Amino acid sequence: KAGVTQTPRYLIKTRGQQVTLSCSPISGHRSVSWYQQTPGQGLQFLFEYFSETQRNKGNFPGRFSGRQFSNSRSEMNVSTLELGDSALYLCASSDQPGGANVLTFGAGSRLTVL
Amino acid sequence: DAKTTQPTSMDCAEGRAANLPCNHSTISGNEYVYWYRQIHSQGPQYIIHGLKNNETNEMASLIITEDRKSSTLILPHATLRDTAVYYCIVRRPAGGTSYGKLTFGQGTILTVHP
Repeated sequence: KAGVTQTPRYLIKTRGQQVTLSCSPISGHRSVSWYQQTPGQGLQFLFEYFSETQRNKGNFPGRFSGRQFSNSRSEMNVSTLELGDSALYLCASSDQPGGANVLTFGAGSRLTVL
Repeated sequence: DAKTTQPTSMDCAEGRAANLPCNHSTISGNEYVYWYRQIHSQGPQYIIHGLKNNETNEMASLIITEDRKSSTLILPHATLRDTAVYYCIVRRPAGGTSYGKLTFGQGTILTVHP
């Protein structure tokens, strides 16, 4: 079956703009989580959604937001972009939470802020 | 979630076994050990996970010490395509506020040589 799909794969924005990234989870998966990866900070958890509700949030400013739709697809938005927001943004999905669930990651969206 | 310690880098000859250690001395009784790897510029890939017993799948074996304070990921016959960053992660069972959250450290850079 199809994996986790993230769009767009690459994008370039300028400071002050906003960006929306999309994630389509594996069919049947209802949990979607987002991560930011930078050379300096590594992989950091942004937030996680399950059944359209945010269940957990990492330590990021309010400029970073997300949502999940009834079909489990998720979007994340970054407003008022800063140079430091340049990163690989990764989405992961898993099935019903509980026990030792496994996350499946997408290929990521690489954002460059100029 | 418990903290993990991994060597920064390791080398392995192609065709030989790669043994990647991980220390997790503060692990709690219900925390799982997960291994993921990330090949350059791709999303992390799940490898294996375990709680107390040793585990084996088509990709690797996971050996957890009896006191669960450390573990070793074994790639039995490393190939050039196994060159990647390997992350050892300790995590509580999903649920409550930890549904999709994985705490990544810096990982081990494994380089497989011809």
